[in-house]
This record gives sequence, C-alpha cells and structure tokens, in this order.
Amino acid sequence: AQKVTQAQTEISVVEKEDVTLDCVYETRDTTYYLFWYKQPPSGELVFLIRRNSFDEQNEISGRYSWNFQKSTSSFNFTITASQVVDSAVYFCALSEAKGNDYKLSFGAGTTVTVRA
Amino acid sequence: KAGVTQTPRYLIKTRGQQVTLSCSPISGHRSVSWYQQTPGQGLQFLFEYFSETQRNKGNFPGRFSGRQFSNSRSEMNVSTLELGDSALYLCASSLPEGYYGYTFGSGTRLTVV
Repeated sequence: AQKVTQAQTEISVVEKEDVTLDCVYETRDTTYYLFWYKQPPSGELVFLIRRNSFDEQNEISGRYSWNFQKSTSSFNFTITASQVVDSAVYFCALSEAKGNDYKLSFGAGTTVTVRA
Repeated sequence: KAGVTQTPRYLIKTRGQQVTLSCSPISGHRSVSWYQQTPGQGLQFLFEYFSETQRNKGNFPGRFSGRQFSNSRSEMNVSTLELGDSALYLCASSLPEGYYGYTFGSGTRLTVV
C-alpha cells in the first residue's frame, strides 16, 4: 500500500509566485517522522525539513514553510517567492519508528518548474 | 565535513554482468542505506546496514546484495544484470536511529545495455 501520496505530478510557476506541495501519508504508528527532500538535476537528494509526529507546530525557515496536520495526515510544504533555482523534484517521505526498521518511504515526487 | 561519496558516478554494463557500487558515509555515521530510483517505480528502499550487519531489507530479488565494512563504508552488488536494473542508485548515511535524518550521496547512474 502506498504510504506517501503526492497527488501533484508537476507544478509550473513564474518566479516570485508561491508554490505549495501537497503530501498525504498513511501510517498506523503513533511515532513517525516526515521529511521533505529536493532533488535537483544533479540527482542528489537534498534534505529540507523533518518533523516528528508529536510536534504539529508549523514553522517557517527562510522561504520554506510547512503545514503538518495529523487530523488529515497531511504534511504540506510551501516555497515562498519562488526562484529559478527552486526548480527540482520534491519528495515527501515517511519514516516509521518500528524497532530497527529504519527506512524512508517516498512519495512519487512533484516536479516544480519556476520560469523566469 | 565531507558528504556522502558514491563511486562511480556513471556506469554502463551489459546484461548478465555484475556490478559493484561503493558508498562512503559521513564521518561518524554508522548506518548506510541504499535506494533505487527509476522513472516507473520511483524511490525504493533496497537495504540498510549498521555495524556491518544488514538490519533491514526491501523487496528486491536476491541478485541485489550488499555489505558494510568496519569503517562503515558500504558496497552493493547486483549480479546477472537485467535491463530493468538501469536506475539511479542512491546511498544515504545516518546516525543509528535513521529518523534523525538521512544525508544522501549524488548517486550512481547505472545503465544496462
């Protein structure tokens, strides 16, 4: 069963527009961790943010912000005032804290294109 | 500090051959995980090693194997290559409790012809 769903396949915006990426996850665990990663054309997955299931406080870090809602199992990510360098594939991922089962379950990714 | 280093960056192999990919984790990280990324299946977990022991394994055939050395460097091996093994193979290193965060390497792009 798909544990992480990113319904948006592609998003295209003009520079300086805000971009919100949706992520819905599925888990039976009460303790889990959610991540957002960025993958530029070079291929490396770049860590952006991490959230644990006990902390629903939403935060802003520079141009990034996130909205974590356990009630709807959503972990959405927003880029404010997008720039061309933000063009990449963005992945939402889930890690469930079950014994030694340390692994990430990724969504399918959302390709973000920011046009100048 | 140095990031996660994967070698080689690119590899072209023929069907039926075998291949070995290498991953050097961030200093101090003793857990190494491997992921396969393909356009059709996305990012899929292969296996995870900690202290030279495989702790977790994904749903891949036995042709995919790995190991970890005492210095935490890890290798993965794919035997009897198939066209479908063409993919970007990503390695991630982390503290023993992986959910504190994973740092990925740039990957090895394997093409099987």
